[in-house]
Amino acid sequence: SVLLYQKPNRDICQSGTSLKIQCVADSQVVSMFWYQQFQEQSLMLMATANEGSEATYESGFTKDKFPISRPNLTFSTLTVNNARPGDSSIYFCSSRDWGVSSYEQYFGPGTRLTVL
Amino acid sequence: AQSVDQPDAHVTLYEGASLELRCSYSYSAAPYLFWYVQYPGQSLQFLLKYITGDAVVKGTKGFEAEFRKSNSSFNLKKSPAHWSDSAKYFCALEGRNNAPRFGAGTKLTVKP
Repeated sequence: SVLLYQKPNRDICQSGTSLKIQCVADSQVVSMFWYQQFQEQSLMLMATANEGSEATYESGFTKDKFPISRPNLTFSTLTVNNARPGDSSIYFCSSRDWGVSSYEQYFGPGTRLTVL
Repeated sequence: AQSVDQPDAHVTLYEGASLELRCSYSYSAAPYLFWYVQYPGQSLQFLLKYITGDAVVKGTKGFEAEFRKSNSSFNLKKSPAHWSDSAKYFCALEGRNNAPRFGAGTKLTVKP
């Protein structure tokens, strides 16, 4: 299994500012995924991040707004640029075992973001 | 394209009853299907998966799910239900080389 840690657990920021969310895995993982979840709703896949390459973004999410870095096999950072109240949600990082055949997805505890 | 549909936003039943949460999917190839549970204020926890093989798969917490290719469904079941099963349940679909996509979720309430 993979344990994922996120920092911060929650954050409150003003509109127009930027903030970073960090995700650390306790073992090396090939891909990290970032999801957005609005209150009581589904998880929306934002992007897939592989080490040493640019993240692949899903429709509705852009590199300019949500730049993602993946400098090594245990770490990823999601930045929310020019934050707006509509960005207020929970952000989860996710990954799976190095052994791809396990298919089981693991999730970090989430970062609850409130934009004022 | 791939999609997951959970048609029931809310399901309420009494403890001891059998529960079945519905999930249907759309995908042109053989899907990988998952169920996850999310308790209030918490992250997602893996329950079970269907990759290939037996249509009925068993998971954690006493849950099982049945894959039915004929009607593209992957319903989650448990009997009997317990009040501690109250949570939100998500069905997810993963295609080849794709990250999982999640359904809208079903909020389950089990009354004691």
